[in-house]
Amino acid sequence: EVVLTQSPGTLSLSPGERAALSCRASQTISGTSLAWYQQTPGQAPRLLIYGTSKRATGIPDRFSGSGSGTDFTLTIIGLEPEDFVVYYCQHYGSSPRRYTFGQGTKLEIK
Amino acid sequence: EVQLLESGGGLAQPGGSLRLSCAASGFTFSRYAMSWVRQAPGKGLEWVSHSSMTGTDTYYIDSVKGRFTISRDNSKNTLYLQMKSLRADDTAVYYCAIGVPVASPAYFQHWGQGTLVTVSS
Repeated sequence: EVVLTQSPGTLSLSPGERAALSCRASQTISGTSLAWYQQTPGQAPRLLIYGTSKRATGIPDRFSGSGSGTDFTLTIIGLEPEDFVVYYCQHYGSSPRRYTFGQGTKLEIK
Repeated sequence: EVQLLESGGGLAQPGGSLRLSCAASGFTFSRYAMSWVRQAPGKGLEWVSHSSMTGTDTYYIDSVKGRFTISRDNSKNTLYLQMKSLRADDTAVYYCAIGVPVASPAYFQHWGQGTLVTVSS
């Protein structure tokens, strides 16, 4: 079973800066099976990135995803105030069907 | 507009039962796999269960196998989660979510707002 480890747990940055959030898999995974979500407190998660690097509908181009193998990154350039929330990576495994989330990274204002 | 509306949450005693519902609208429900994902208070996301578009294929996280049952009524555009033998660690907000892409659902495109289940005596 794939385990996803996100780092750092909390990232402190200022508006306008660039954020790089890491998601490391316990074994090599397919890039098509890696997604990122954003969650604002009290709200449901929102799909940001799927297939490692494809932006979901309506997601600003300041969000981008990259990576392969075991190491994946969500990058946010020009941080806006509304970006300071929690982010989760997620993997899909097919044998057996299983969906695994990382533990999350909280992006906070410095 | 895609809408998912969960209901049925509330307070249950340890060992008790609850049935969650997720009413779907704004898309062709019968063409999509669906999942339940939960989030314990102050914790991260945890996938719970998946139903194929017809309901014939279902999957569960190990900790709920034999206790939870996912089902769907495509004529009513509704997804269900029957929860039995509830434990304190089942306490969470339960979200229903649409699995995409259709051919092999790998991620969750739309989520409901969730329903809170609290298991406590």
